Amino acid sequence: AQSVAQPEDQVNVAEGNPLTVKCTYSVSGNPYLFWYVQYPNRGLQFLLKYITGENLVKGSYGFEAEFNKSQTSFHLKKPSALVSDSALYFCAVRALGTTDSWGKLQFGAGTQVVVTP
Amino acid sequence: DAGVIQSPRHEVTEMGQEVTLRCKPISGHDYLFWYRQTMMRGLELLIYFNNNVPIDDSGMPEDRFSAKMPNASFSTLKIQPSEPRDSAVYFCASSPVGAGGNSPLHFGNGTRLTVT
Repeated sequence: AQSVAQPEDQVNVAEGNPLTVKCTYSVSGNPYLFWYVQYPNRGLQFLLKYITGENLVKGSYGFEAEFNKSQTSFHLKKPSALVSDSALYFCAVRALGTTDSWGKLQFGAGTQVVVTP
Repeated sequence: DAGVIQSPRHEVTEMGQEVTLRCKPISGHDYLFWYRQTMMRGLELLIYFNNNVPIDDSGMPEDRFSAKMPNASFSTLKIQPSEPRDSAVYFCASSPVGAGGNSPLHFGNGTRLTVT
């Protein structure tokens, strides 16, 4: 069974400071890892993904994430946060190679990011 | 590309009534997913389709819930009869066929259902 954990319900950061949103996962085999963002009254929007290759993945809006296999983590980072980054962020994992991996994407509970001016 | 289109955006109904949620996926996407989002349970996958065929409906909570995809450009999620505990935001998402399943999901803006 696969699972994903986002240990923080909320992250508060001042504008201009670095932002980190934590994610750890558990899967059998190699993972596909994703980050999504949700703004109020909107659907989830894809930010970035890790499939294979370089551990540091760059995505939309200046976000990046680092895959760490030994720590089974995929933390989302942004060097300088903006007020407009305030939103709900979801980490998701899909197991590679299982018969149902094509469809099932396991989402974390979400982390609310609040960026203050 | 208009993205995934869901209707209605808001639905308020009384307990016992039938509710039908609609979704138009992105053209060319082979997978369609229905999710439910609540504060208590987060995001839950209800059912997904591949090429209009239901693949996994194990997330459908009860027989009151049913989903169809009569063609590649339209899907419905029906609740009959509706109950207050069905109140949630329902999302439809679609995804193209990606090599090994690495394609991201594209979400609609959801339908906020309130059952009184």
